[in-house]
Amino acid sequence: GAGVSQTPSNKVTEKGKYVELRCDPISGHTALYWYRQSLGQGPEFLIYFQGTGAADDSGLPNDRFFAVRPEGSVSTLKIQRTERGDSAVYLCASSLTTSRPYNEQFFGPGTRLTVL
Amino acid sequence: AQSVSQHNHHVILSEAASLELGCNYSYGGTVNLFWYVQYPGQHLQLLLKYFSGDPLVKGIKGFEAEFIKSKFSFNLRKPSVQWSDTAEYFCAVNAAASKLTFGTGTRLQVTL
Repeated sequence: GAGVSQTPSNKVTEKGKYVELRCDPISGHTALYWYRQSLGQGPEFLIYFQGTGAADDSGLPNDRFFAVRPEGSVSTLKIQRTERGDSAVYLCASSLTTSRPYNEQFFGPGTRLTVL
Repeated sequence: AQSVSQHNHHVILSEAASLELGCNYSYGGTVNLFWYVQYPGQHLQLLLKYFSGDPLVKGIKGFEAEFIKSKFSFNLRKPSVQWSDTAEYFCAVNAAASKLTFGTGTRLQVTL
């Protein structure tokens, strides 16, 4: 079946602009996660959704970052007033549930964001 | 807060050599442990996972990992690496929360 998909695969923007990154999880997966991976680092957690609600947004770095999942499927990560330090690969993952042993997270290919 | 340490940042091995990548985590409670692999140009894929039971876990492509609770470790091993194992390997833990905490990764380069 189809895996997690993310669009766009690459996004180049200018400092100060607004960007939206989209994630389409595996069908039927109730949990959706966003991570950010900077060069030479492991992925860092940003936010996760259980259904439509954000269950944990403790990883969002500041109020310029926001994410939604209005129908419990597709999610959009929104970044306002982008800064050069926001440049990274943004990863999305989904899992069937958050309960063991069904909480294995499947990752998408990521969106590489470059802020000039 | 949970954290994960991977001690080897870059490992170079010849084909057929044995591999062991270290992973230590800090968290006092029950954890789920994972190793993910990222082949060049591809997305993160799960190699193996530990939830409970037998501390020796076998994954895909001949990889295994051993959970040693007293050492807070979950080292990845493979008896004989292949050139196609060239990739970046990430150890990750999730505890009470659902989020994964990753280590910084180990880049493995296997030479012919």
